[in-house]
Amino acid sequence: EADIYQTPRYLVIGTGKKITLECSQTMGHDKMYWYQQDPGMELHLIHYSYGVNSTEKGDLSSESTVSRIRTEHFPLTLESARPSHTSQYLCASSDWGALKQYFGPGTRLTVT
Amino acid sequence: GDSVTQMEGPVTLSEEAFLTINCTYTATGYPSLFWYVQYPGEGLQLLLKATKADDKGSNKGFEATYRKETTSFHLEKGSVQVSDSAVYFCALSDGQGGSEKLVFGKGMKLTVNP
Repeated sequence: EADIYQTPRYLVIGTGKKITLECSQTMGHDKMYWYQQDPGMELHLIHYSYGVNSTEKGDLSSESTVSRIRTEHFPLTLESARPSHTSQYLCASSDWGALKQYFGPGTRLTVT
Repeated sequence: GDSVTQMEGPVTLSEEAFLTINCTYTATGYPSLFWYVQYPGEGLQLLLKATKADDKGSNKGFEATYRKETTSFHLEKGSVQVSDSAVYFCALSDGQGGSEKLVFGKGMKLTVNP
């Protein structure tokens, strides 16, 4: 049902590497979100965007950054990965006035 | 701020057992309430929702009723199946100022054995 994609699905990298997690949606949604899901399954909102050139930090402080140059694309970047960044990252989108968020399949990141 | 408290589990049930997952919320306004489900290796999917008091959301045999007086939105299913094994999240959105940010509970992992 959901047309929201995340790549890569799994990533193992060494400490200090720069990485970008990709998120794209083909539904034309203005609103997009990044969540971090810890091993205990709890979800934390780390970034969101309400449209092109709009980005905001979420409820959980994160060392990652995001950009929104195109409506369909909302990449997340870590300039220097650390083991504490090991987690699952979920991207979501929604339309204005819509209560439902559509989630991508997630990227499971492991930093060694 | 707004918050959601739900049963954390993990919970293991036998097939055809009755399921209840408790969820209570704290919100300043009149939130919309949701249950999302996460199957193994996948992202979250909306299971059901309710937007105002006394609304009942239902889908795939699951039901939940928005109870304003008890600030609750408990999820129930009369007879679970192995395919219901997943993590279940209760969530709210207060919709303030056009925001659709979701506040999630901590999730509850359900395993259903044949």
